[in-house]
Amino acid sequence: AQSVTQPDIHITVSEGASLELRCNYSYGATPYLFWYVQSPGQGLQLLLKYFSGDTLVQGIKGFEAEFKRSQSSFNLRKPSVHWSDAAEYFCAVGAGRGNKLVFGAGTILRVKS
Amino acid sequence: GAVVSQHPSWVICKSGTSVKIECRSLDFQATTMFWYRQFPKQSLMLMATSNEGSKATYEQGVEKDKFLINHASLTLSTLTVTSAHPEDSSFYICSARVRQLDDSPLHFGNGTRLTVT
Repeated sequence: AQSVTQPDIHITVSEGASLELRCNYSYGATPYLFWYVQSPGQGLQLLLKYFSGDTLVQGIKGFEAEFKRSQSSFNLRKPSVHWSDAAEYFCAVGAGRGNKLVFGAGTILRVKS
Repeated sequence: GAVVSQHPSWVICKSGTSVKIECRSLDFQATTMFWYRQFPKQSLMLMATSNEGSKATYEQGVEKDKFLINHASLTLSTLTVTSAHPEDSSFYICSARVRQLDDSPLHFGNGTRLTVT
């Protein structure tokens, strides 16, 4: 069965600093990996996805993620965080393209000025 | 881009009553929709998968007689919480898979905050 671990429940970074959110997955086959962002009381917005090919994936809002099969990881990064990036971030793994997703517990990002 | 609309965005109901939540795909046909539930400060948990024209598939531990799902058309799925109780209070989010685009990820609605008093 698929599972996703986001080891950091909360992360606080200063505005302008770099960011890395960790995600580890467990899945027996080639995973389909996603990062979503959720603002309070809102639905989820897709930041980026990985299906195959280049292991460094570019997303919206300046985010990127790198798939590392050997480490079963798909960490999300941003070189310079903006105050508007404060939200909760979810990593998810899917059994196939667009199939049901299993989500990690989420990481709440706080940005301090 | 693909848009999923969910209605209502919030609802308060009395214990014992039923509540219906709608999930619509606005600019694409969705053969499959997924219903998730999110308790405060927790992640999203898949409740069920609904397929247009057939019965929904429920995840383990989800009562199908309590959470009725209907996916009667390619653009609409409904979740009805029957005989709601305070422990059903949660944030319910639907998502839809774009029909034509096999490599398209799920698109999520903005969620429905249900409070049962």
